[in-house]
Amino acid sequence: GESVGLHLPTLSVQEGDNSIINCAYSNSASDYFIWYKQESGKGPQFIIDIRSNMDKRQGQRVTVLLNKTVKHLSLQIAATQPGDSAVYFCAENSLGETSGSRLTFGEGTQLTVNP
Amino acid sequence: KAGVTQTPRYLIKTRGQQVTLSCSPISGHRSVSWYQQTPGQGLQFLFEYFSETQRNKGNFPGRFSGRQFSNSRSEMNVSTLELGDSALYLCASSLFPGSNQPQHFGDGTRLSIL
Repeated sequence: GESVGLHLPTLSVQEGDNSIINCAYSNSASDYFIWYKQESGKGPQFIIDIRSNMDKRQGQRVTVLLNKTVKHLSLQIAATQPGDSAVYFCAENSLGETSGSRLTFGEGTQLTVNP
Repeated sequence: KAGVTQTPRYLIKTRGQQVTLSCSPISGHRSVSWYQQTPGQGLQFLFEYFSETQRNKGNFPGRFSGRQFSNSRSEMNVSTLELGDSALYLCASSLFPGSNQPQHFGDGTRLSIL
């Protein structure tokens, strides 16, 4: 079946560096993508989203890039802090804007920020 | 504004029993979805409810069911529990289904089957 996958299961960076987390998706019909952060013992926390009619969106210290040609999604975190340590998931809504919400998640990347 | 609230946080059951989990969405949110999270399978979609109707369903057996009440609160039920049902069950809410608005998650119910 269709799935959203991540390139690397783990990523280790130094505090203050920029982090880039990648995700490849396979459903070309997906039109909405979300990045979530999940800390131990908690549910996924919304970070940023992007619609398929955009190729870039910026938030506070985070940027999401969407390349529909190669079906690739990335999350960039600027000036990474120890509090950013968590598992990051990309997710896609494959049902379309009017058909409902059904998120398909990638496998997750464990980001570790070293002080 | 309160987030998504799930109760109970932890639950221990034995094989063959049934369990009911509860979810209160963010105030004003009318769509509720349920997901199962396990180390082996990751996050998988169970079902979505809106206006007390199931709109979408994932690939889970009929032992997994749910419902939504008129106040948008939702429950999910798992009957004849199996060891493989041990997982973190997550509830997420959004304003409407399919509106391309983010789903916001609760902290889940950790279900352990002995």
